[in-house]
Amino acid sequence: GAVVSQHPSWVICKSGTSVKIECRSLDFQATTMFWYRQFPKQSLMLMATSNEGSKATYEQGVEKDKFLINHASLTLSTLTVTSAHPEDSSFYICSARVREGLYEQYFGPGTRLTVT
Amino acid sequence: TQLLEQSPQFLSIQEGENLTVYCNSSSVFSSLQWYRQEPGEGPVLLVTVVTGGEVKKLKRLTFQFGDARKDSSLHITAAQPGDTGLYLCALAGTYKYIFGTGTRLKVLA
Repeated sequence: GAVVSQHPSWVICKSGTSVKIECRSLDFQATTMFWYRQFPKQSLMLMATSNEGSKATYEQGVEKDKFLINHASLTLSTLTVTSAHPEDSSFYICSARVREGLYEQYFGPGTRLTVT
Repeated sequence: TQLLEQSPQFLSIQEGENLTVYCNSSSVFSSLQWYRQEPGEGPVLLVTVVTGGEVKKLKRLTFQFGDARKDSSLHITAAQPGDTGLYLCALAGTYKYIFGTGTRLKVLA
């Protein structure tokens, strides 16, 4: 149980284009999903917390107009990188909390974005 | 700045050796988690510790939560090449999680 998927697993796009990454909880409903960014050989940095049916909460320094997050259902959250630039190239990982009050979060396999 | 500092940052050891990874904070944890991440994959939860002084074992891995709940350690006995990966501690709050700086472990055969 508690499986989280991400799509695509990797994507290459040209500078100036937008890319959408999907995060799905496959066997449970997730009221809260989290989006992280990870640079090579570094730890995970929380970008935003996504709650179903409400606006995402962004961490300080994360541009909400650049990283659009939508959590339209209890099993799907999307991250759209708008007008991507080479510096946006990174490993993006989502996670989902099974239910409120629990500490455990389960991670997706990640999406590697390369902007050329 | 990171709230959680891990040490060491990098560790390369021979198969069969023991090692300890530390996670420290200036703040009290409500709970702390340890994860292992392999290249190109998402982190996998190893354990959650909640009570000060708590010790949990997972096969050759021993996790300890400090009495004051401001630090934690992960001890691996007789390391194997399969233990290679990035080990992350994470502060689990009500609303979000903060990850430590990470310890990259390489176990040589």
